[in-house]
Order: sequence, then C-alpha cells, then structure tokens
Amino acid sequence: GENVEQHPSTLSVQEGDSAVIKCTYSDSASNYFPWYKQELGKGPQLIIDIRSNVGEKKDQRIAVTLNKTAKHFSLHITETQPEDSAVYFCAASFAPDAGGTSYGKLTFGQGTILTVHP
Amino acid sequence: KAGVTQTPRYLIKTRGQQVTLSCSPISGHRSVSWYQQTPGQGLQFLFEYFSETQRNKGNFPGRFSGRQFSNSRSEMNVSTLELGDSALYLCASSLAVGASTEAFFGQGTRLTVV
Repeated sequence: GENVEQHPSTLSVQEGDSAVIKCTYSDSASNYFPWYKQELGKGPQLIIDIRSNVGEKKDQRIAVTLNKTAKHFSLHITETQPEDSAVYFCAASFAPDAGGTSYGKLTFGQGTILTVHP
Repeated sequence: KAGVTQTPRYLIKTRGQQVTLSCSPISGHRSVSWYQQTPGQGLQFLFEYFSETQRNKGNFPGRFSGRQFSNSRSEMNVSTLELGDSALYLCASSLAVGASTEAFFGQGTRLTVV
C-alpha cells in the first residue's frame, strides 16, 4: 500500500520567513496530494491540494510543488505569520480525473509542527 | 453551508464497553471516511462508506465497524474497548464524484478508555 514520509517533524521560523515541508510517497498510482492544517482542538483543515497533472499550484502565501518522477511534493509558506503556527499534514490518494467516483482513503504523513515566532 | 458534524465531542468509556460515534457529512456529500488519530501512529484510515456501502477498509481489527445511512450520515462502532483505542476519531466527508475529491474533516470525537 501507499506510504507517505514527511519531513521535518518540527519547524521553527521567525515571522516573515518562509517555511518548507517535504513529503515523499511510494505508490506511483497516487495522483492527488492534499495538505491539511490542524490547530489545537480542531480537525484537519484542507489548505491546498494538487493533482499529478500539475507541477505547481499557488494560493496567496501558500504553494505546493510536485515532482512525479521523484515521487515527492512540498508545501511552501511565504511571509509566515504567528497564526500559521499549527500541525501540517501531507497526504496522498488516488482519484479519477473525470467521471466515476473517487475513493476517500487518504494516506497521511506523520505531521510537521510549525512554530512561527513573532 | 454547515460543515461536518461529529457527536459527541468527548467520551469516556471503560475497558470492555462498546461505543458508537456519529458523523453528519456536508449536505450533498456522498462519501464518509473515518480516521483514528493518535500521537504515536498519526492519522490512520479506518474505513470509507459511499452510498451506504463500505468501499475501503484500513488495517484495524474487526472490533471497529461502521455503517452509512440513506441520508449519508455515518456511525462507527468500537466493541470491547481497549486502552489503546483512546484517540481522536475523525470523520471526513467528500463529494467523491470524479475530480471533486476534496475531503473535509469534522472536529472529531475524543475517546478516552479507562
């Protein structure tokens, strides 16, 4: 089955700096890669996702890059703010491109505790 | 639009008892997945239901079971509770049709087994 490795496990940055979290996956059939942010006492919140037919996707201060050949994908947060402090999870799954039904099984990385110091 | 609702938020049970957790997905979503989150094992997939059918199951013992109703609401049941079942149980709902695969999580049910 799929295995997702995530690094680093903890990341500490100063406000305004950039933060990068990296994940690798094992199953070449995986084609959908979401990132989740989890704050204390809350469920994971989807912040950005990417499909395997795209190399990069950006949403304001957040971007995700995907290298299918190397089977790794990364989350980039620029101009970090204290409210970005949380646990971030990457995940991988297979989803059809069109038609049919996608499957809900997500395989998660172990998580990265991001701390942004004011 | 209401999000994913999980009830109850907190539960304390004794070893050997059984427990039922409930999840109401986002309106219109047909897929409900369940995950167990622990500090040691992280987020692990339990099972997924789509149109009242279990489509996928993770590597958990048969004590963990679930079901989905015709209105897409789902329940999961854990029988003969063990101390190691203490965890945050998360439910995620998804439209699960074609490329609409985004999964949205509820706040979870914190289960403590004593």
